Amino acid sequence: DTGVSQDPRHKITKRGQNVTFRCDPISEHNRLYWYRQTLGQGPEFLTYFQNEAQLEKSRLLSDRFSAERPKGSFSTLEIQRTEQGDSAMYLCASSLSTSGSYNEQFFGPGTRLTVL
Amino acid sequence: QQPVQSPQAVILREGEDAVINCSSSKALYSVHWYRQKHGEAPVFLMILLKGGEQKGHDKISASFNEKKQQSSLYLTASQLSYSGTYFCGTDPISSGSARQLTFGSGTQLTVLP
Repeated sequence: DTGVSQDPRHKITKRGQNVTFRCDPISEHNRLYWYRQTLGQGPEFLTYFQNEAQLEKSRLLSDRFSAERPKGSFSTLEIQRTEQGDSAMYLCASSLSTSGSYNEQFFGPGTRLTVL
Repeated sequence: QQPVQSPQAVILREGEDAVINCSSSKALYSVHWYRQKHGEAPVFLMILLKGGEQKGHDKISASFNEKKQQSSLYLTASQLSYSGTYFCGTDPISSGSARQLTFGSGTQLTVLP
């Protein structure tokens, strides 16, 4: 399977705990994005990487959220001191950005986080 | 600011046509369309760029009115597999390279046999 993969697919945690999610993009894709989606809404942009550099981050994103893409391949998203409002589906997407490319984003299956 | 999609929901019979609209208050560089089935990831359908370029699904067509910042997705001779929630994602001219898409709240399409 050469699509975007995410791990774990489901995570249940207690309020106040830290959680970490992993995303493996399509292998040749140099851009990686994190989104959050709640029921009945479209994906909400969180942050974006070009190779290993984090170039954009949502102004609405709490400082409890941090993301890394250390070698320009896989990425991790960490949420510290989780709150019930963090419960959502966390989606990762990747795209190929080259001269003349369209930058269409391909999404992974998501990690569903439930904070009790 | 989030683009506005209309209608919020539509039900049609197999073989019928549907149009889904997406409207933005910002000047746009591109519009991206996705379909998401329940419990699954959004699937890329189409991208339309300012200037007329587009790339996407060979059975789905779309338009992008740059003056009105509106896009429409046309689903003709719908099939049962077209059921799902359709999202448009907009990329403002200030960004211009799909770095930060803003998605609408979706249009739920149900195709009945």
